Amino acid sequence: AQKVTQAQTEISVVEKEDVTLDCVYETRDTTYYLFWYKQPPSGELVFLIRRNSFDEQNEISGRYSWNFQKSTSSFNFTITASQVVDSAVYFCALSRNDYKLSFGAGTTVTVRA
Amino acid sequence: DGGITQSPKYLFRKEGQNVTLSCEQNLNHDAMYWYRQDPGQGLRLIYYSQIVNDFQKGDIAEGYSVSREKKESFPLTVTSAQKNPTAFYLCASSPLGRDYGYTFGSGTRLTVV
Repeated sequence: AQKVTQAQTEISVVEKEDVTLDCVYETRDTTYYLFWYKQPPSGELVFLIRRNSFDEQNEISGRYSWNFQKSTSSFNFTITASQVVDSAVYFCALSRNDYKLSFGAGTTVTVRA
Repeated sequence: DGGITQSPKYLFRKEGQNVTLSCEQNLNHDAMYWYRQDPGQGLRLIYYSQIVNDFQKGDIAEGYSVSREKKESFPLTVTSAQKNPTAFYLCASSPLGRDYGYTFGSGTRLTVV
């Protein structure tokens, strides 16, 4: 069965601190895709990144970076020098054979000024 | 611009009334999904459809109904049988395939009084 675990329910940091969100997944598939979404207070989920199981290169996009480690089934997300606008709920998700996504429970990030 | 439109953004209904939430997409996506989100909770799948005139129950379908008469539209009816309908409802769509993520609408916040 495919499963995504985001063990951190809430993280609170002061502006400019770095914050890392953990995502651990379970799957028996050899080919799969992992995703991160951001849900700001407005409610809409915004796509951040997609990574396929064959590409273990880390990715950096501005202040965001992702660390994919197949050996530990983890796809962690780091926000460097956090800002108040980063306050949101962040979801990790895993693709399934039936084309649906399995979502983690989400991590609420609060960045204080 | 392509996207998903959910309407209305806020909806108030009296207990015992059925209510229909609208979801329209112009992305030409085959699959559409309805999720429920309660405060501080993750996403729970209500119904999904991967082809016109066909839909499948998700994890919490009781008290809800859907239709998929057109590719672009996937309305959700919250019936009086739903015991606790007050929640945030998110609609999403995607092409069929494991390498695609979802595009989400901005959500409808339903309050039953």
